[in-house]
Amino acid sequence: DIQMTQSPASLSASVGDSVTITCQANQDITNFLNWYQVTPGKAPKLLVYDKSNLETGVPSRFSGSGTGTHFTLTISSLHPEDLGTYYCQQYDRLPLTFGGGTKVDLK
Amino acid sequence: QVLLQESGPGLVKPSETLSLTCIVSGGSIGSHYWSWIRQSPGKGLEWIGYINHSGTTTYKSSLKSRVSMSVDTSKNQFSLKVTSVTAADTAVYYCARERITVSGILIKHYYAMDVWGQGTTVTVSS
Repeated sequence: DIQMTQSPASLSASVGDSVTITCQANQDITNFLNWYQVTPGKAPKLLVYDKSNLETGVPSRFSGSGTGTHFTLTISSLHPEDLGTYYCQQYDRLPLTFGGGTKVDLK
Repeated sequence: QVLLQESGPGLVKPSETLSLTCIVSGGSIGSHYWSWIRQSPGKGLEWIGYINHSGTTTYKSSLKSRVSMSVDTSKNQFSLKVTSVTAADTAVYYCARERITVSGILIKHYYAMDVWGQGTTVTVSS
């Protein structure tokens, strides 16, 4: 199975800060990467698919980039509703696998 | 707007079978893949497998011997069974729809889950 490693495991930031989350694959996954936000009590939400495509309705402050084995999700200006845990997920090979998550909270 | 709702027992005894159903409303089973994903306490997301409208399945290999999925297009729902459960199967279980785009007769699969249920907590305990 392809292993996905996220860093940091958690971070604290202030409203308005730029936040970057990294996801590393243990083998080349080309651009086959998606990003999700999970907030307690809510259904997980797809943010970015195919490395850099914003899902419909996702604010433009979110962006995804990277290629090969190294990917990033950036929130250009953190809003209070952005708090939660973020997961990357590869789909280069089955089984689909997720990173361990990055928890974002307010400083 | 497509909505998914998981249902099933919240408590299952060790060695028994966990059974969950996901009801799809606001849309049809269609050409998507439909996944089951779980999150054990304090852990990340784990993909269990998926099924399509014709009943074709793909399971995570480490769970394959204990997992089965089925689909009932007449009821617009799909189901998950996990046999011989242990405490390690305690988790929040989500059903989810895979994102696709359709252009004429061509379907592009993104293997991204764009619609999720709220999740249902299943505890394995005697």
